Amino acid sequence: ETGVTQTPRHLVMGMTNKKSLKCEQHLGHNAMYWYKQSAKKPLELMFVYNFKEQTENNSVPSRFSPECPNSSHLFLHLHTLQPEDSALYLCASSQDGGRRTGELFFGEGSRLTVL
Amino acid sequence: AQSVTQLGSHVSVSEGALVLLRCNYSSSVPPYLFWYVQYPNQGLQLLLKYTSAATLVKGINGFEAEFKKSETSFHLTKPSAHMSDAAEYFCAVTASGGYNKLIFGAGTRLAVHP
Repeated sequence: ETGVTQTPRHLVMGMTNKKSLKCEQHLGHNAMYWYKQSAKKPLELMFVYNFKEQTENNSVPSRFSPECPNSSHLFLHLHTLQPEDSALYLCASSQDGGRRTGELFFGEGSRLTVL
Repeated sequence: AQSVTQLGSHVSVSEGALVLLRCNYSSSVPPYLFWYVQYPNQGLQLLLKYTSAATLVKGINGFEAEFKKSETSFHLTKPSAHMSDAAEYFCAVTASGGYNKLIFGAGTRLAVHP
């Protein structure tokens, strides 16, 4: 198994749909992240969880709802999205965020297209 | 606040030529700086990092970067480009007080031609 696994790899949804992205890390890390990667824009940090507790919400619209049931799993629930939300959503994990190592381990991403 | 600027969204080099990808940062605290690489259809992978030890940092695949405080730069270099180096490269800095929160640059896409 790879270190950080994201499913689905591709998702197409209408603006009224509800869907979820899933991330699972097999590295024993205790911090997990959601990043948004849009064309021609820097990666945007969306959420951070440390030991299952949300420690960062970077002013993300409420149509994105994260869930972290345990240190190994992270979800991003999506509802009533807009076409501009189409992007690559990257999940990452790191070993405790108490030290600034900066070494994040990324999944391959979920490519989301909103019609 | 921290920020990163990568000069040149696209860089093209010949195989065997020097690779130079530029990164300048702004930080209100001593920075930790990173280069990540993203191959097509993959996530990001750490290439190298500067965490206040040696200013010349060596990474994987023959890449290295030099931290220059006076120039607020952390440019990435490789003496001889290989076709397999074609990818997108991201420079990043940790946010103040933000442990592993990374602030990324917009990325530089490296093309290597025969």
